[in-house]
Amino acid sequence: GESVGLHLPTLSVQEGDNSIINCAYSNSASDYFIWYKQESGKGPQFIIDIRSNMDKRQGQRVTVLLNKTVKHLSLQIAATQPGDSAVYFCAENMLGTYKYIFGTGTRLKVLA
Amino acid sequence: DVKVTQSSRYLVKRTGEKVFLECVQDMDHENMFWYRQDPGLGLRLIYFSYDVKMKEKGDIPEGYSVSREKKERFSLILESASTNQTSMYLCASSDQEDGYTFGSGTRLTVV
Repeated sequence: GESVGLHLPTLSVQEGDNSIINCAYSNSASDYFIWYKQESGKGPQFIIDIRSNMDKRQGQRVTVLLNKTVKHLSLQIAATQPGDSAVYFCAENMLGTYKYIFGTGTRLKVLA
Repeated sequence: DVKVTQSSRYLVKRTGEKVFLECVQDMDHENMFWYRQDPGLGLRLIYFSYDVKMKEKGDIPEGYSVSREKKERFSLILESASTNQTSMYLCASSDQEDGYTFGSGTRLTVV
């Protein structure tokens, strides 16, 4: 399979446990953030987003937390499943601008 | 339910060849982007376009050019392919309010 992250940090989690993936973003002026999931050989897929006027946002089995004080973003995945195995990376943006800044990603491995 | 389509999943080209990577989106988005993705470096922006016939350089435009003659299509051109352009190339589109929708990627190998 294709590897998009030979040198990525890896988080190994037992199936059924919760996963927490962290991201330090770079620009204090960023006000929109997205988490993407990228499976081997595929393009990144949108998981969840959050705007800077929020600290927390929940989706189905996923929660994103934003701490603007320390420029930190986290993705929590509840009851991690084998299908969650992928590379996860965050993206930051200033609303009204075209460009996103992407993190380098974390590889999540789910152990059966 | 395909929204951003990249014409090739895998390409092998020779050094010096002119290479065209095609991307089509069906969401009527104004903005389209080309990134390359390399191990340990993440996604790096090559070029983007915010309208037909409009383009702007990203962070690593050297050795590349782009074409956007129609709103739905954004082409990346490697004028003279080199081995250091071996990479995964990702096309994306967006509107002003939401994040990117990515294509599946083109894995280009230059030999």
